[in-house]
Amino acid sequence: NAGVMQNPRHLVRRRGQEARLRCSPMKGHSHVYWYRQLPEEGLKFMVYLQKENIIDESGMPKERFSAEFPKEGPSILRIQQVVRGDSAAYFCASSPQRGTGNYGYTFGSGTRLTVV
Amino acid sequence: AQKVTQAQTEISVVEKEDVTLDCVYETRDTTYYLFWYKQPPSGELVFLIRRNSFDEQNEISGRYSWNFQKSTSSFNFTITASQVVDSAVYFCALSEKNAGNMLTFGGGTRLMVKP
Repeated sequence: NAGVMQNPRHLVRRRGQEARLRCSPMKGHSHVYWYRQLPEEGLKFMVYLQKENIIDESGMPKERFSAEFPKEGPSILRIQQVVRGDSAAYFCASSPQRGTGNYGYTFGSGTRLTVV
Repeated sequence: AQKVTQAQTEISVVEKEDVTLDCVYETRDTTYYLFWYKQPPSGELVFLIRRNSFDEQNEISGRYSWNFQKSTSSFNFTITASQVVDSAVYFCALSEKNAGNMLTFGGGTRLMVKP
């Protein structure tokens, strides 16, 4: 049973380009969460999605960032017109049901975005 | 609002020493969950333990042990007889039942175990 798969593992973008980060949840998990880890900091919640729905995007920057979790395929975190401050590790987690309840999260290995 | 504080940003020990990583949390919820994660130099997040607010029993798993004290809002993590492979950043995290879907992380403690 594969874990949470994130790709790419490393992504380099020039300022102004778009970054697309992908996350495939564990089999049977329909809840996906995205977190951002800035250098030397802890993880910060960005967005929580279920299939085709954004449930909580309270941690998402209002501009340039968007997330989706379509009926088919992985969840995508999209960052438009990237700036140097977007350089961070982006982690995706999944769970079989809402909340951390009895399962907690299973995190992917993260995507390290570097904006040059 | 929920908050997690890991006051120790960096700890350095010599192999075989015991080390305790502190975690203090704030929450208004009566039902909540506490977690510890390990982030080795390779960068992934490794789940170590989950505790719910109604279970104050301390837990031991091999060289790892956790001390949960609601009276002081603390959930400390002790590594006994540390090894070089324990070198990593350790994160404490909190999830409130009413917030359901969000983990709040502390800033992390970088543990360096020297041979």
